[in-house]
Amino acid sequence: GQNIDQPTEMTATEGAIVQINCTYQTSGFNGLFWYQQHAGEAPTFLSYNVLDGLEEKGRFSSFLSRSKGYSYLLLKELQMKDSASYLCAFMDSNYQLIWGAGTKLIIKP
Amino acid sequence: ETGVTQTPRHLVMGMTNKKSLKCEQHLGHNAMYWYKQSAKKPLELMFVYSLEERVENNSVPSRFSPECPNSSHLFLHLHTLQPEDSALYLCASSQEGLPDRVNIQYFGAGTRLSVL
Repeated sequence: GQNIDQPTEMTATEGAIVQINCTYQTSGFNGLFWYQQHAGEAPTFLSYNVLDGLEEKGRFSSFLSRSKGYSYLLLKELQMKDSASYLCAFMDSNYQLIWGAGTKLIIKP
Repeated sequence: ETGVTQTPRHLVMGMTNKKSLKCEQHLGHNAMYWYKQSAKKPLELMFVYSLEERVENNSVPSRFSPECPNSSHLFLHLHTLQPEDSALYLCASSQEGLPDRVNIQYFGAGTRLSVL
């Protein structure tokens, strides 16, 4: 079967670093996505990993290990505007996105 | 601004009403999607249209009826809904079929639906 799991909620401090983990199980895999969703707004694309390793984009980085069924999103130099939900999703063998329930990230001053 | 516009942003309806949700994309994409987002649950894919043909219908009740008149517009017609249908309904679009291109979905801000 297929499943995907990420923590429900995390809290971090402004200026710090936070790592949001995502684990998945699937027989067919065509990449892993991270989206950011502010309350009441559209989910917006952050990153895509299909090969193992780390992809860096400014303050945000995303890591993938296909053998472990594991990804993380790393956010550095946290800002208050980073308070949002972060959605992890993998693309299965039918090119459909299978979504996690999202991680609500709360940033405190 | 994501290039995907949904209207209305909020909708309250009774169980006997008929209403429609509208989605318009300005990105030149050839695929459009309807998702349901309930609190603390994963996004649920409802319908997929590719080149205006419905290619996915994930066992969605018939009280939800999609329509895709062209590649830029997508509708979700609602009738005799149940209170458990209250949720955020998200529309997305993407460009499919390009070799070596990641199929990134771009979302609208959603319609917050409350069924009384």
